[in-house]
Amino acid sequence: DGGITQSPKYLFRKEGQNVTLSCEQNLNHDAMYWYRQDPGQGLRLIYYSQIVNDFQKGDIAEGYSVSREKKESFPLTVTSAQKNPTAFYLCASSTSRSYNEQFFGPGTRLTVL
Amino acid sequence: GESVGLHLPTLSVQEGDNSIINCAYSNSASDYFIWYKQESGKGPQFIIDIRSNMDKRQGQRVTVLLNKTVKHLSLQIAATQPGDSAVYFCAENSSLYGNNRLAFGKGNQVVVIP
Repeated sequence: DGGITQSPKYLFRKEGQNVTLSCEQNLNHDAMYWYRQDPGQGLRLIYYSQIVNDFQKGDIAEGYSVSREKKESFPLTVTSAQKNPTAFYLCASSTSRSYNEQFFGPGTRLTVL
Repeated sequence: GESVGLHLPTLSVQEGDNSIINCAYSNSASDYFIWYKQESGKGPQFIIDIRSNMDKRQGQRVTVLLNKTVKHLSLQIAATQPGDSAVYFCAENSSLYGNNRLAFGKGNQVVVIP
């Protein structure tokens, strides 16, 4: 089955700790994205990557970091510098021919205690 | 599931009726407008897109209308079914951003009454 996976579904961390969220896709997509979603809000873009070894900041990149060492993987690290990290995090991927159609993973709910 | 629908505008529709979901946009330079559907506890799913030089596009049971004069986008769902209950997001793809990223709206919740 082709798809995009995120793990874990729920994650709890203590304040001040960095945490890395996993995102893997086997769709052979060039582009990958990380979004944050808060209740009553739309999706806000954190980081995106059009190709391996390259990524760009989105609208709310402060306090987050990413890497794109492999085409299939785009992990997101939520650092202690992120002031309000508790949120629902969504990863997506798309082909470079159709950025409109993004394929989303099931999301990771991060709670910082 | 995730409470993504909290505090969102909500449309309640009887099963079998047609639904119309509206979205206002501000960026006149957007090249594409897109609709996504997010069911409770899941990631969003692409429904349909429309290029800015079009007024209407039809898919399976859905129609998207674009009115550039008033910067308004709508999604019509025919014969709404219980499975259509979800949060619907409009999004824009603009050359201002390089056409390789989307800007999402806040969403509208649709509740289908059996």
